[in-house]
Amino acid sequence: DIQMTQSPSSLSASVGDRVTITCRASQSISSYFNWYQVKPGKAPKLMIYTASRLQSGVPSRFSGSGSGTDFTLTIRSLQPEDSATYYCQQSYSTPLTFGGGTKVEIK
Amino acid sequence: EVQLVESGGGLVQPGGSLRLSCAASGFTFSRNWMHWVRQTPGMGLVWVSRISNDGSSTTYADSVKGRFTISRDNAKNTLYLQMNSLRAEDTAVYYCTSSPYGGFLEYWGQGNLVTVSS
Repeated sequence: DIQMTQSPSSLSASVGDRVTITCRASQSISSYFNWYQVKPGKAPKLMIYTASRLQSGVPSRFSGSGSGTDFTLTIRSLQPEDSATYYCQQSYSTPLTFGGGTKVEIK
Repeated sequence: EVQLVESGGGLVQPGGSLRLSCAASGFTFSRNWMHWVRQTPGMGLVWVSRISNDGSSTTYADSVKGRFTISRDNAKNTLYLQMNSLRAEDTAVYYCTSSPYGGFLEYWGQGNLVTVSS
């Protein structure tokens, strides 16, 4: 199974800050990589797919980069509604696997 | 508007069975692969199973293989998960989710809680 290691596990930042979350795969997964936002009591939401493609309707302050084993999610200017837990996921092979999550809090 | 509405969850004793359903609308169900993903209380997301758009191919996580069966009815736009021999560690919120070709998970339901406890 491909292991996904996400960091940090949590962070606290101010509105307007630039936030970066990283994810590392245990083997190369090309660009078969995605990011999700999860808020309590709500359906998870696809944010970025194929490493860098912004899902329709997702604000442009979100961006993704990387390929192979190392990937990054960047929130250019953090907003209050971005408070959530973010998960990375590889779609290179089954079992599909997720990172452990990064809880983003607003100071 | 895309909707995935799960049902069938609840409280069940260890060793028991449950069948989850997921009714889809607002997109072409028969063209999408479908998955079940679960989230245990306070923990992260864990992929459970997937089925191809025509139902001919299924894949399972090792933790549920032989106990869970995924299926679909494209005429009814409905996905199913038959869960047998349930264990305490199967307690989780179960989400159904769609993907255009088996990769990224595009649309998600609100989730359905399954509790396995005596």
